Amino acid sequence: NAGVTQTPKFQVLKTGQSMTLQCAQDMNHEYMSWYRQDPGMGLRLIHYSVGAGITDQGEVPNGYNVSRSTTEDFPLRLLSAAPSQTSVYFCASSRVVSSYEQYFGPGTRLTVT
Amino acid sequence: GDSVTQMEGPVTLSEEAFLTINCTYTATGYPSLFWYVQYPGEGLQLLLKATKADDKGSNKGFEATYRKETTSFHLEKGSVQVSDSAVYFCALTRNQAGTALIFGKGTTLSVSS
Repeated sequence: NAGVTQTPKFQVLKTGQSMTLQCAQDMNHEYMSWYRQDPGMGLRLIHYSVGAGITDQGEVPNGYNVSRSTTEDFPLRLLSAAPSQTSVYFCASSRVVSSYEQYFGPGTRLTVT
Repeated sequence: GDSVTQMEGPVTLSEEAFLTINCTYTATGYPSLFWYVQYPGEGLQLLLKATKADDKGSNKGFEATYRKETTSFHLEKGSVQVSDSAVYFCALTRNQAGTALIFGKGTTLSVSS
């Protein structure tokens, strides 16, 4: 199992550009989520999904879109990047029922200039 | 709303010293509590968990006890190693599946030989 994979590892964008952060898991997990990690802030939930076709907002969803067309993939889209979106982004997955453990990807470091 | 408060870091210890990282929480009902660890350049990994009051989670020599009366979940280890150097995150969820985690800000531990 590759676990949770994220691409790219690093990305630099200019303000206003768009891009998609990719996340995939091969563990057949129903639940997938995106967090951002900022210094002194811990991790904050952006969006999550409990299965294909179902997504919902987390704590800090503004400026981000998600979709879940397959169980394996959960891409995060930035439609118009802003410097405030400079962060490290983590994708995580888990079983929905009685799992308690979330599996995290290695992260994508995004800089918006 | 729900929240997690961790002691500020960094925590700097010598090898074989005793470690305590304090964590307190605010939540309605009976949340599940977690400690996640992030090694340099990696994603987060579940270290231990406790799903009900008075439960003790343990793993790799680390322990934490779910204290509902003091709303605390302090992380302890009797003898730290250089390899324990990492960022430690306390987290909670009120979701039975352990999803939608709310994280503390993280505590950096640095252990020297």
